[in-house]
Amino acid sequence: EAQVTQNPRYLITVTGKKLTVTCSQNMNHEYMSWYRQDPGLGLRQIYYSMNVEVTDKGDVPEGYKVSRKEKRNFPLILESPSPNQTSLYFCASSFSSFPLTGELFFGEGSRLTVL
Amino acid sequence: KQEVTQIPAALSVPEGENLVLNCSFTDSAIYNLQWFRQDPGKGLTSLLLIQSSQREQTSGRLNASLDKSSGRSTLYIAASQPGDSATYLCAVSPIPNSGGSNYKLTFGKGTLLTVNP
Repeated sequence: EAQVTQNPRYLITVTGKKLTVTCSQNMNHEYMSWYRQDPGLGLRQIYYSMNVEVTDKGDVPEGYKVSRKEKRNFPLILESPSPNQTSLYFCASSFSSFPLTGELFFGEGSRLTVL
Repeated sequence: KQEVTQIPAALSVPEGENLVLNCSFTDSAIYNLQWFRQDPGKGLTSLLLIQSSQREQTSGRLNASLDKSSGRSTLYIAASQPGDSATYLCAVSPIPNSGGSNYKLTFGKGTLLTVNP
């Protein structure tokens, strides 16, 4: 089954404790991206990747890091989480990268709470 | 900077009614427009993708139209059912090298649809 898988789905952590949210897709997609969704603000892009070893900042990259060492995986790293990073996070992927011509597939989301 | 607006923010209808959801965008230089469905606490599922050269797309009871020149799209849902209750979002993809990011969809904030039995 074609899918984008995120882990963990739910996480409660404390300020400053490094964490990683994993994202994996099994569709051989070139493009992958991370979004956060907050009430009243909608979906905002954090980082994206056009292919292996090619990443770039989205609209709200501060406090986050990413890497793309393999085509299927695109982890999101919070080096020192803060309460303002409490949010619902989504990973997404698409077959085409430039331009974004195709359907965007989303993971189920990871709800993160930083105390 | 592209901005996408969806009105109304919430809509409640009785089962069986036909309904229209609206999406408007400020920059007509789009490559395509997608409509997504999001169930509470879940990810987004793509419903329909309209290329800029197309006027509409249909899938079952859903029909999406696109008027690029006026910066508008509508999602028509026929014979609504309680299972259609969800948040519906539209998103636009830019034409490459038109000034915006080539690698980002711009999303509206969605319309929360409730279909009452």
